[in-house]
Amino acid sequence: DAGITQSPRHKVTETGTPVTLRCHQTENHRYMYWYRQDPGHGLRLIHYSYGVKDTDKGEVSDGYSVSRSKTEDFLLTLESATSSQTSVYFCAISEKREGHEQYFGPGTRLTVT
Amino acid sequence: GQNIDQPTEMTATEGAIVQINCTYQTSGFNGLFWYQQHAGEAPTFLSYNVLDGLEEKGRFSSFLSRSKGYSYLLLKELQMKDSASYLCAVMDSNYQLIWGAGTKLIIKP
Repeated sequence: DAGITQSPRHKVTETGTPVTLRCHQTENHRYMYWYRQDPGHGLRLIHYSYGVKDTDKGEVSDGYSVSRSKTEDFLLTLESATSSQTSVYFCAISEKREGHEQYFGPGTRLTVT
Repeated sequence: GQNIDQPTEMTATEGAIVQINCTYQTSGFNGLFWYQQHAGEAPTFLSYNVLDGLEEKGRFSSFLSRSKGYSYLLLKELQMKDSASYLCAVMDSNYQLIWGAGTKLIIKP
């Protein structure tokens, strides 16, 4: 199994508070991704990174920011959480962009009340 | 827009064969992936197709027709542990994965 962890695994927070989710990998993979998964929807890409300090927006980036200061860590921040951001968040990594599968972390279940 | 369609739910019997279909319309094509996701867990990679034809891996096979925008995942000799959601995803021209909503497969004894 790919060495990828996420923290926290569960979090309940109030509307308007900032929240940071952490993804940590031990595989030294270049590409890292943040997705959210909601019932009735496919996984949706929030942001991704193609190297240290190199990030780009995905399909649903509004209200989210990311940072990658080290190869192994990719942080997702909700600046001011809203109830619409209640979701399961998955981090994924891949060695290359094309032709390679993405490996997923265990997920973080976030509830915004 | 980009779209991936797959059935919401399917039911099959232990020991039988089931085929899960996926049709797609995307901006470009750089491969199609199938993932398995058990309830409450992370998706795990099953197969990758970039050329037309059938890829076989044990009890699982995946087929691709690029001209038809169509793929299927074939599961043989079904076991109870195969009860899960099966996710189809296409890599578009920007090398981003576009995901279907998943097919929940229920296996009955």
